[in-house]
Amino acid sequence: NAGVTQTPKFQVLKTGQSMTLQCAQDMNHNSMYWYRQDPGMGLRLIYYSASEGTTDKGEVPNGYNVSRLNKREFSLRLESAAPSQTSVYFCASTLEGGYSSGANVLTFGAGSRLTVL
Amino acid sequence: AQSVSQHNHHVILSEAASLELGCNYSYGGTVNLFWYVQYPGQHLQLLLKYFSGDPLVKGIKGFEAEFIKSKFSFNLRKPSVQWSDTAEYFCAVNSPYTGTASKLTFGTGTRLQVTL
Repeated sequence: NAGVTQTPKFQVLKTGQSMTLQCAQDMNHNSMYWYRQDPGMGLRLIYYSASEGTTDKGEVPNGYNVSRLNKREFSLRLESAAPSQTSVYFCASTLEGGYSSGANVLTFGAGSRLTVL
Repeated sequence: AQSVSQHNHHVILSEAASLELGCNYSYGGTVNLFWYVQYPGQHLQLLLKYFSGDPLVKGIKGFEAEFIKSKFSFNLRKPSVQWSDTAEYFCAVNSPYTGTASKLTFGTGTRLQVTL
């Protein structure tokens, strides 16, 4: 199994350009997430999707939109990129299994490094 | 809102030295606790987790962590580090009662550098 696959791995944009980061998982997980990782700030949740057809804002949603296309795919879109969105973006997924289930562990993709000039 | 504090931002140790990385969280209710590791150029991987039961949990590669509820802490330990442990370590917490999704709150990370 491939796990969580993100594309592209690297991207350079100019301010104002748009782009979509793609994420797909093949583990039949219910929930999917987009995080951004910045030096000294750890990982911050942008958006998440608890199930197909639902999406919710995380800690830092401004400037982003998401689509849960189906159970496997969860995309992150930057409509008008800004230099503040330069970051490494991680997609993750988990199989929700209840309050004490060992299934509630996130599996991460390899990351997408985005630079906005 | 939950918060997670990792007080050690950068730790440098010699091989075979003992390691303890601090993690404190703010949420007072039932929590799930995690340590993730990110090796250079790689994605985050689960090191260990605590959901319930024995507060001393063992993970991969000889790591362990102790959940001390009264101190809101979940410190990571390893008796003898190896050069291959050089990585960034993230503590994370979620509450299992906040809805349908496991939204983790991460600490800012601790960069561990192990020298030969």
